[in-house]
Amino acid sequence: EAQVTQNPRYLITVTGKKLTVTCSQNMNHEYMSWYRQDPGLGLRQIYYSMNVEVTDKGDVPEGYKVSRKEKRNFPLILESPSPNQTSLYFCASSWGHEQFFGPGTRLTVL
Amino acid sequence: QQPVQSPQAVILREGEDAVINCSSSKALYSVHWYRQKHGEAPVFLMILLKGGEQKGHEKISASFNEKKQQSSLYLTASQLSYSGTYFCGTESGSGGGADGLTFGKGTHLIIQP
Repeated sequence: EAQVTQNPRYLITVTGKKLTVTCSQNMNHEYMSWYRQDPGLGLRQIYYSMNVEVTDKGDVPEGYKVSRKEKRNFPLILESPSPNQTSLYFCASSWGHEQFFGPGTRLTVL
Repeated sequence: QQPVQSPQAVILREGEDAVINCSSSKALYSVHWYRQKHGEAPVFLMILLKGGEQKGHEKISASFNEKKQQSSLYLTASQLSYSGTYFCGTESGSGGGADGLTFGKGTHLIIQP
């Protein structure tokens, strides 16, 4: 089944404790993106990647890192999480115009 | 800069029509529409490329006026399954794919029986 998977789905952590949210797609898509969704703000793009080893900042990249060492995986790294990074995170992959979203990761930073 | 969607929310009875608008301050290459049901991921509905075309998806259609940098999503004879939050995503410049979308804040649509 064609899909985008994210892990973990839910995470509660404390300020400053490094974490990684994994994203994997099995559709051989070149483009992958990370978004955060907050009430009243919609979806805001954090980073995107057009291909392996090619990444670029979206609208809200501060406090986040990404890597794209292989086509299927695009992990999101929070080196020192802060409470303002509490949010719902979506990974997406695309080929052409349609983006396929993962199920989301709900992150709470205390 | 995020595109502006209007209205923020709309409540309809089943069978009524709705229009959701999306407006940008930038020159647009394309406009994408997504629907998100509560607790789920956004799902792609359609894309409109510059040229003023109109597209349809079942009873949901959309138009794109590139001169005004606006798009509208039309839902006719709404069904209960249409409930959710609708997002427009805009792509500026020369395009190149869905890697650089900027989404609006969303329009909440509630369909009542």
